[in-house]
Parts: sequence; structure tokens; C-alpha cells
Amino acid sequence: QIVLTQSPAIMSASPGEKVTLTCSASSSVSSSYLYWYQQKPGSSPKLWIYSTSNLASGVPARFSGSGSGTSYSLTISSMEAEDAASYFCHQWSSYPFTFGSGTKLEIK
Amino acid sequence: EVQLQQSGPELVKPGASVKMSCKASGYTFTDYYMKWVKQSHGKSLEWIGDINPNNGDTFYNQKFKGKATLTVDKSSSTAYMQLNSLTSEDSAVYYCARGDCWGQGTTLTVSS
Repeated sequence: QIVLTQSPAIMSASPGEKVTLTCSASSSVSSSYLYWYQQKPGSSPKLWIYSTSNLASGVPARFSGSGSGTSYSLTISSMEAEDAASYFCHQWSSYPFTFGSGTKLEIK
Repeated sequence: EVQLQQSGPELVKPGASVKMSCKASGYTFTDYYMKWVKQSHGKSLEWIGDINPNNGDTFYNQKFKGKATLTVDKSSSTAYMQLNSLTSEDSAVYYCARGDCWGQGTTLTVSS
């Protein structure tokens, strides 16, 4: 199975800071099938970025996604308090579909 | 508005089975696969499997074969997941999801 390794596991960022979260795959993933989800405590995951770089409906433009093959990233150009959450990458390029272990992003 | 409404929390004894539901609304149920995902103790997510509501075809994570059974009822736009031979390791929140929309989750607690 494709293992997705996210780093860092936990990080904190100040308001206005640029943030980059990474997702490394053990085998190549088709970029069309690499998604990112945001999850806040007590809530279900929300689709945040689909097909590597497309923002889901309602996601602020300060978010962006990029990558290909085995290396993907989610970037926040300027951290805001509402961005504090856990972020999971997800591949459904090959069975079994897998999720990364997540990055918990906190606000300083 | 697309919605997935999941059944309520479950408290079951070890060795028992449970069947949880996921009622879809706001879209054509048969147009999208339904996935089921396990989240243990607020940690990461595990894909259990997908079901094609149009014909009932299922695709399971090998880890959950024999543990989970996915079914649908097209007449009520509802997906179901049955988990059997429950142990404490099955205690988790279970989500149904369409990919771009997730249910609110069903909390399963396995305890005597």
C-alpha cells in the first residue's frame, strides 16, 4: 500500500506567517487523486484541496496546493487564527486508499 | 445541499455486531461511490472501503475484510456498514463520505 508521511506532525505559526505542510508518498500518486482535508476538533473532515491544487468551495485563496509523483504540499501564504486545525493528505490513486497521519497546525 | 446524516452513537458489548447507517440527500445517490472511514481516538484516518450504490459493488481495504460489510438501499438513499465480532480495537468514530462531503460520524464504543 502507499504510505503517506506528513511533516511536521505538529507545528505552530504566528498570524501572518507563511506555512508549508508536506506529504510524502512511498510510491508515486497520480496528482488527480491526491486530496487534502481539514479537520477541527469535534468535527468531521472537510475537503480542502482536491486533485493536488484545486481549492474546495469556500476555501480561502491564501491556501494553495502543489506537487507531483511522491511529493506534495499545502501552503498557507499568511496564517490566520481560523486556519488552526489538523490537515490530512489522502490518496485514492491505488488500493488500498490511504491517509497521512496528519499535521496539527496551531496558532501562536 | 448535499448532506450525509449518520445514525447515532452505539455502545455494544465485545463479540457483538453493529449496523450503522448513512442517509444521503441533496444529490442523486447512485451517482457517487460512498466511502467509509475509521478514525480512532481523534487520530488518523483509515479507509475501510467503498461501495458503488448503483450496483452494490464493493471495494474493501484488506484489513477490514471480514470485519466490515457495506450495503446500500437505493430506495431510501441510505448506505449501511455492519461491523462484526467487535473488540475494543473497533471503538472509534466511523464516517461515511462522498469525497467532497462527509457525514457527522457515528461513535462506536465497544465495552462490557
